[in-house]
Amino acid sequence: AQSVTQLDSQVPVFEEAPVELRCNYSSSVSVYLFWYVQYPNQGLQLLLKYLSGSTLVKGINGFEAEFNKSQTSFHLRKPSVHISDTAEYFCAVGSGFNKFYFGSGTKLNVKP
Amino acid sequence: NAGVMQNPRHLVRRRGQEARLRCSPMKGHSHVYWYRQLPEEGLKFMVYLQKENIIDESGMPKERFSAEFPKEGPSILRIQQVVRGDSAAYFCASSPPGGSGNTIYFGEGSWLTVV
Repeated sequence: AQSVTQLDSQVPVFEEAPVELRCNYSSSVSVYLFWYVQYPNQGLQLLLKYLSGSTLVKGINGFEAEFNKSQTSFHLRKPSVHISDTAEYFCAVGSGFNKFYFGSGTKLNVKP
Repeated sequence: NAGVMQNPRHLVRRRGQEARLRCSPMKGHSHVYWYRQLPEEGLKFMVYLQKENIIDESGMPKERFSAEFPKEGPSILRIQQVVRGDSAAYFCASSPPGGSGNTIYFGEGSWLTVV
């Protein structure tokens, strides 16, 4: 079975600073990787996904993530965060047979 | 193209009552997933269904919870004899048919409060 680890449950950062949210997964087979964002009292929105090809994936709202197969990581980055990026971020792994596994989430708190 | 539709958005039930949560997948999607999010916790997988079939229910509590996705109509998550601990946000998601590489899309959630 797959597992997804988001080591940081909370990440405080000042506005306009860079941020990296970490995600590691365990898998011995090909996987597909996703980042979702959840704003308070809302559902999850897809930020970006990696299926194949270039290991650097660009998503919405200026976010990007890099797939590192050797380190089994898919960290999410943004060079300059805004107050509006305050939300919870979930990393997910999809495998064959349409199964998806989610991390426990990282709450990003952007301070002015 | 409408997204994943969930209703009700908010539901209040007294202990012992039944809760029914409905989910209509995105057009063209035949796979439905239910997740539960407890306060201050992450997403927990509950069940994965295709039309008229339960594919994986490994995350469903053994008692009081059931799910279906009939040939016609929305998927239903049913919680019988609700208890306070069932208070949570329940998210439905859907994905298209096919194999690997599909993306899962979420609804806005149904917030259940048991009083």
